[in-house]
Amino acid sequence: DAGITQSPRHKVTETGTPVTLRCHQTENHRYMYWYRQDPGHGLRLIHYSYGVKDTDKGEVSDGYSVSRSKTEDFLLTLESATSSQTSVYFCAIPDRYTGELFFGEGSRLTVL
Amino acid sequence: EDQVTQSPEALRLQEGESSSLNCSYTVSGLRGLFWYRQDPGKGPEFLFTLYSAGEEKEKERLKATLTKKESFLHITAPKPEDSATYLCAVQAGYGGSQGNLIFGKGTKLSVKP
Repeated sequence: DAGITQSPRHKVTETGTPVTLRCHQTENHRYMYWYRQDPGHGLRLIHYSYGVKDTDKGEVSDGYSVSRSKTEDFLLTLESATSSQTSVYFCAIPDRYTGELFFGEGSRLTVL
Repeated sequence: EDQVTQSPEALRLQEGESSSLNCSYTVSGLRGLFWYRQDPGKGPEFLFTLYSAGEEKEKERLKATLTKKESFLHITAPKPEDSATYLCAVQAGYGGSQGNLIFGKGTKLSVKP
């Protein structure tokens, strides 16, 4: 295992409420990524981080914010959840030697 | 626009019936092409990375190949445990970090005993 833990694994919330998903790594890697996966779409990059307090946008960043206050944790926040953000969210980190991405088990979010 | 297209969307095979999955890509400068396997309710599991046309990699019953426009994942004599969704992704050469991948929608493989 790549040492990635996502929490919560499942969450149901209502439109307009804030939601925070957490990704925790034990690999001490600089880079961390948040992707979302939806039926009919491939995995799409939301945001990524290249160090503490260093983040950048991906393909589908609208409606999301991220924070990285320490190396091991990368938080994804939906300030005001919408039904279009119902999805499975995956955190990923690169292998230290090969650069290949390893994914967490996912967080399934349902916005009613 | 960078794009990855996988075909077929779904494939049903009998155990032992070999076949291939296709991944065609349009990208401005390929830095790497990746194959992943994903089981229901799980995160994608890394299989292979290919970097240049003509490259091939094998792992058990799986063999990945790469040309300038597409990649194939050949499955030889599949078993039911090979049933999964297979994802293809590319890393483009326009910059960005190594983890900025463009994924296809996947091919769902079912192998019947």
